[in-house]
Amino acid sequence: GDSVTQMEGPVTLSEEAFLTINCTYTATGYPSLFWYVQYPGEGLQLLLKATKADDKGSNKGFEATYRKETTSFHLEKGSVQVSDSAVYFCALIKREGADGLTFGKGTHLIIQP
Amino acid sequence: NAGVTQTPKFQVLKTGQSMTLQCAQDMNHNSMYWYRQDPGMGLRLIYYSASEGTTDKGEVPNGYNVSRLNKREFSLRLESAAPSQTSVYFCASVLDRANSPLHFGNGTRLTVT
Repeated sequence: GDSVTQMEGPVTLSEEAFLTINCTYTATGYPSLFWYVQYPGEGLQLLLKATKADDKGSNKGFEATYRKETTSFHLEKGSVQVSDSAVYFCALIKREGADGLTFGKGTHLIIQP
Repeated sequence: NAGVTQTPKFQVLKTGQSMTLQCAQDMNHNSMYWYRQDPGMGLRLIYYSASEGTTDKGEVPNGYNVSRLNKREFSLRLESAAPSQTSVYFCASVLDRANSPLHFGNGTRLTVT
């Protein structure tokens, strides 16, 4: 079945550091890929998405590129802030399926001032 | 805009008790989902409803039942709660499941003693 693997945390960085959170997937067909963010005590919010190979999703300084050849969708940000501290989830959905998103286990990101 | 509203926010049950988690969305979305979130496990799909009048099992349906009461509402019922059902439960909805992002509620934190 479909699966998403992402680096497990916590990942601790200093403010203004460069961020990479790795995400790889296994799926048949051509899934759409997403990054969601969860702030403490809240539900998940969409951060960015890409729907086909070589698409780049971006939002709030975060970027991720859909790499079909390496089945990856790594999340990057050039300069993190304390307010970026949250749990980040990589996820996929098949175009033809109705059974929701398949999520990775989440990466807890802690940014220290 | 309310988005996806879940009630209650917190609940403590004793083993064997029953309860219903409520979810409503005001975005005229077709598909609705129930996930549970556990440490180190990410989010796992319990049940989903692709459209009004239909429901289907997800990855972890045992011990749960659902009702898609109308287009807006999708409830999750625990008939006889067990400690293994201690978790945070999230409801989500989407208009077009293939490419649109899921919208999540803020979650219900359930403890079963």
